[in-house]
This record gives sequence, structure tokens and C-alpha cells, in this order.
Amino acid sequence: AQKITQTQPGMFVQEKEAVTLDCTYDTSDPSYGLFWYKQPSSGEMIFLIYQGSYDQQNATEGRYSLNFQKARKSANLVISASQLGDSAMYFCAMREWKGGSEKLVFGKGTKLTVNP
Amino acid sequence: ETGVTQTPRHLVMGMTNKKSLKCEQHLGHNAMYWYKQSAKKPLELMFVYNFKEQTENNSVPSRFSPECPNSSHLFLHLHTLQPEDSALYLCASSQEGQHSGANVLTFGAGSRLTVL
Repeated sequence: AQKITQTQPGMFVQEKEAVTLDCTYDTSDPSYGLFWYKQPSSGEMIFLIYQGSYDQQNATEGRYSLNFQKARKSANLVISASQLGDSAMYFCAMREWKGGSEKLVFGKGTKLTVNP
Repeated sequence: ETGVTQTPRHLVMGMTNKKSLKCEQHLGHNAMYWYKQSAKKPLELMFVYNFKEQTENNSVPSRFSPECPNSSHLFLHLHTLQPEDSALYLCASSQEGQHSGANVLTFGAGSRLTVL
């Protein structure tokens, strides 16, 4: 079963507007972490933001915020004031701790295009 | 040099060739990873090394052979590959053992492999 689901293969947003990228996850563990990474065409995965399962408040990092709804198992990424440089693939990932080892499981990604 | 460096960035090889991908991290991390990224599929975890010891082999075919001589270097030796092995191979590192907080994976820019 897929553990990370990103239902939007592609999204378009106008420059300076906000956009929400969806992510739902599936785990039975009480302790987990949620990450968002950005992958521009150059290939490198760039860490954007992290949310721990026990964190009471939604994570924010500059123009990035994570809308964490634990009961719904969703961790949507909100990018405010989009810039042309935000055009890239965005991956949601979940870290699980099982049997003393840690794994990072990724979704299929969402391709964001920012239009001028 | 800082971060995670992967070489070569691009590699084209025949099915009978033997080649290696190299990854080096300058972050003082104790864990290193190989991920495979194929088109329209989630990133697939291949191998994990923690303090030079392999802690994860995610059912990877034996034509992929990892080597971790020390905590800073990771290799992926390739031999008798198939065309379906063509993909972007991403190396990452992290500081394992921190079961709380954002234990972030830092990725390299990847090695784009084409098998003819």
C-alpha cells in the first residue's frame, strides 16, 4: 500500500499568488516525521520544511508552511507569494522509525509551474 | 567542498560494462543512502549504510553492488545492467540516531544513468 499520496501530478499558479500542494500519508506508528523536498530541473533534492508527529503547531519556514491535519493524515505544503524560481517538482516524504532503523518514504511528487 | 557530491553527473553504459557511481559527503554525517528515481515513480530506497555498516538492502538486484569504505564515501558498483535500470541515482546523507526533530537527509545532485 502506498504510504505517501500526492494526488496532483501537476499544478499551475500565477506569480505572487499562493498555492497548496496536497499530501496524505498512511502509518500506524505514533512517532513519525513529515518532510517536503523541492527538486528543480538540476536534479538535487532540496529540503524545505519538516513537521514532527508530536508538534502542536504547523511548521513554517519563510514562504513555506505545512498545513498539518493529524486526524486526516494530511500534510499539505503551502507556498505563499509564488516566484518563478519555485517551478520544480515537490515531494512529500515520511520518516518512520521501525526496528531501530529509519526510513524516508517519498510520494510520486507534484510538478509546480509558476506562470509570470 | 560542502554538502553531498556525486560523480559522474551523467553516465552512459552498455549492458556488459562495469562502472561505478561515487558519492562523498562533507557534513560529518554517519549515515548514507542510495535512492533510485525513475520517471513517474516515487524515489526508491536502495541501500542504507550507518557507520559504514549496511543496514538496509531494499531487495535490490545483485547487479547493483554498494560499497562504503568510510562514513564519508559511498559507491555504487554497476555491472551487467539492463535498460530498465536507466534512472537518476541519488545519494544522500544524514545524522542517524536522532529519533526526534528534523533528521534531514541532504541529497546530492544525482547521477543520471543511461543503459543502452
